[in-house]
Parts: sequence; structure tokens; C-alpha cells
Amino acid sequence: AQSVTQLGSHVSVSEGALVLLRCNYSSSVPPYLFWYVQYPNQGLQLLLKYTSAATLVKGINGFEAEFKKSETSFHLTKPSAHMSDAAEYFCAVRSSASKIIFGSGTRLSIRP
Amino acid sequence: GAGVSQSPSNKVTEKGKDVELRCDPISGHTALYWYRQRLGQGLEFLIYFQGNSAPDKSGLPSDRFSAERTGESVSTLTIQRTQQEDSAVYLCASSPTAGEYNEQFFGPGTRLTVL
Repeated sequence: AQSVTQLGSHVSVSEGALVLLRCNYSSSVPPYLFWYVQYPNQGLQLLLKYTSAATLVKGINGFEAEFKKSETSFHLTKPSAHMSDAAEYFCAVRSSASKIIFGSGTRLSIRP
Repeated sequence: GAGVSQSPSNKVTEKGKDVELRCDPISGHTALYWYRQRLGQGLEFLIYFQGNSAPDKSGLPSDRFSAERTGESVSTLTIQRTQQEDSAVYLCASSPTAGEYNEQFFGPGTRLTVL
């Protein structure tokens, strides 16, 4: 069965600093992986998705994630944090055509 | 174009009452999903509809929960005899099909509070 684990329920970085949100997955088959962002009082929005075409995936708002099979990881990064990046971030893996399994989320705070 | 819409945005109810939550998917999207998000937690899959196929109800937590979908349009999630543990944000999502790479488009959610 597929699953995802997000390390750190809350991450705080300074504006302009590197953002690193960790996600490890478990899957017995090649995984389909996603990162979603949820801004306050809004629904989830897709940041990026891994489709096996390339291990480094670029998404919206300057975010990217690298698929590392040897480490079963799909960490999300952004070189320079903006105040507007403050949100909840969810890593997810598709377990079947009908289900996406979400991690418990990481809340990102940005310090001025 | 219009995204996924949900109504009401907020619902406060008393324990034991029934509630009905509505989701309008993006036009043309054949797949529709309901999730529950408890405070500080991730999303919990509830139910999935794909076209005219039988829905996947494997995530419904109890028989107090049910959902219907009319064709490929509106869906309603009904919770009977609500309990305080039902308090959560209920999110609906739709996608063009259920293909592996297809993005799910989420609505803003309905925040349910059971007193």
C-alpha cells in the first residue's frame, strides 16, 4: 500500500532563506507523487507533480521537487522564501485511480 | 472558467441533526472526490465517483455518512445524526478523468461545526 510521511508539522524560515519541506513515500509500484498548497481559508492547489518524465520537477511560484528513488523521497524546495509562501503544504501519492493519499501536512511560516 | 464550488461555506449544527453539503464540480469533469480534513490533520478520503460507475465508498467512516451524485454534475454529502467528532472541513475535488496523472481541482471546502 502507498503512503507518505511528511517530516515536521511546522517549518519556519526567514524571508529570503531556503525552503525545504520533506516528504518520504512508500510504494510497491512506481509512484505518482504530488505537492499541494493550501492557503488560509482556501482549497488545495496543485504545486507540482511527478510523472516519471524527469526526476526534478518544477512547479508554480518557484517551487521544485526532486524525486529520489534510492531515498524514497520527494522533498519540496524553493531557493528564496517570500512572505506569500506562508501556507500549509501537503505531499501526496496516488494509490489507485480513485484515491490520493495525503500526508499530514507541513505548515510553513515566514519570518520577516 | 468556474472552479469547484461548495456550499455552504460554513455550517454550524447541533449534535444529532442531519446536514447536507453540496459540491458543484468543474463542468465536464467526470471524477469527483470528497475528503475530510480535521483540524491540524491531513486529508482523509471519503468517497469517489467516476461517471456512471459504482462509487468507491471505502473511506466513509460510518453508515451515518452517505453521498450521491447526479450524473456528472452536483454531488451532495449527507451526514445523519451528527456527532461532535464530525466537526471538520469537508473538501470536494473533481478531475477530468481518473487517470493517474490527472490533477484534482479542489473547492474551498465547507467548515462543519457540530455543537
